[in-house]
Amino acid sequence: GQNIDQPTEMTATEGAIVQINCTYQTSGFNGLFWYQQHAGEAPTFLSYNVLDGLEEKGRFSSFLSRSKGYSYLLLKELQMKDSASYLCAVRDSNYQLIWGAGTKLIIKP
Amino acid sequence: IAGITQAPTSQILAAGRRMTLRCTQDMRHNAMYWYRQDLGLGLRLIHYSNTAGTTGKGEVPDGYSVSRANTDDFPLTLASAVPSQTSVYFCASSTGTENTEAFFGQGTRLTVV
Repeated sequence: GQNIDQPTEMTATEGAIVQINCTYQTSGFNGLFWYQQHAGEAPTFLSYNVLDGLEEKGRFSSFLSRSKGYSYLLLKELQMKDSASYLCAVRDSNYQLIWGAGTKLIIKP
Repeated sequence: IAGITQAPTSQILAAGRRMTLRCTQDMRHNAMYWYRQDLGLGLRLIHYSNTAGTTGKGEVPDGYSVSRANTDDFPLTLASAVPSQTSVYFCASSTGTENTEAFFGQGTRLTVV
């Protein structure tokens, strides 16, 4: 079966750095996406990785290791508005997105 | 209309009733998707359409049907609603090429009683 694993919930302090991990087992791999979802809102795109390594976008970075079936999302200089759920999704061999259940990130002052 | 729009925003529906959730996009995206999101579970694909005139079944298609008569619209129909279909439904679209992200509508919160 196909499986995406993420921690259910994490807590971090404003101004700090947090790393959200995602491990996956899918039938094929055609890219990994990270989305942010604030409570009661739609998911919005954050990053895309298809090759191994780090992709940086401002305060957010995403890393991929295809051999390990592993990715992480790194958030720096945390702000209160970063309190949200972070969803990891893998595009499989059929080009369908398989989604993790999401990690709820709580930022404390 | 800007982006992707869903209607209604929320609905309470009696079990056994028929309901159509509407989804419209103005981005000329080829691919469209319907997901349901339940607490503790990831987004689950109900149906998808890679281009106008074609549709396919996702992970949880039972009890749902879709049509794609044109590029812009992708309605989802519940023929006879059951309480287990209580969920938040998201419509999404993408250009369909492999490295592009999906854009989501604001969601429809459906409660079947």
